Amino acid sequence: GAVVSQHPSWVICKSGTSVKIECRSLDFQATTMFWYRQFPKQSLMLMATSNEGSKATYEQGVEKDKFLINHASLTLSTLTVTSAHPEDSSFYICSARDVSSYEQYFGPGTRLTVT
Amino acid sequence: KQEVTQIPAALSVPEGENLVLNCSFTDSAIYNLQWFRQDPGKGLTSLLLIQSSQREQTSGRLNASLDKSSGRSTLYIAASQPGDSATYLCAVLNDMRFGAGTRLTVKP
Repeated sequence: GAVVSQHPSWVICKSGTSVKIECRSLDFQATTMFWYRQFPKQSLMLMATSNEGSKATYEQGVEKDKFLINHASLTLSTLTVTSAHPEDSSFYICSARDVSSYEQYFGPGTRLTVT
Repeated sequence: KQEVTQIPAALSVPEGENLVLNCSFTDSAIYNLQWFRQDPGKGLTSLLLIQSSQREQTSGRLNASLDKSSGRSTLYIAASQPGDSATYLCAVLNDMRFGAGTRLTVKP
């Protein structure tokens, strides 16, 4: 089946630094990718929709200058958490929509801890 | 704005029971609905995808149904096993909205 990878799987960074998370569709093309955040024991909250070759669409309440999204190719989207703070610590999950089947495939997630 | 609700929030059953997890959505103009499983600290595992033109999908002991007119989907798990213990999430794909999940515990 289709696979979506995320890198890194976990990262610890110091407050004030920036962290980049990659999301790749390994064997299919995805014109649309989605970024989610999940706090402990809560469901996934959509942060933004990333479209290849255009600007991302952010959900209400998500700071676009803090969470920079770049969808540079049909198989890669990146999320950069800028000037990270401890409250940004969370589980970040991406998903990719297969252009042919329209099915969603999810990455394994990236656990970010900001100290 | 689409809202997705899952009931119950938590469920504990003895091994071998058949059980039903419920998912409701407010906007019936959905594209697809997908059920996922999430183990603690892990990502999502896709279980079943129901396209808007379908009424149900089956995979092994799992059966998911979709009733767009009533805004409901159910996930039926037959002969539950301890390995089924996880959080089950439903998602309306065109809106990318997830329910809060049902935390299932199957006791041996």
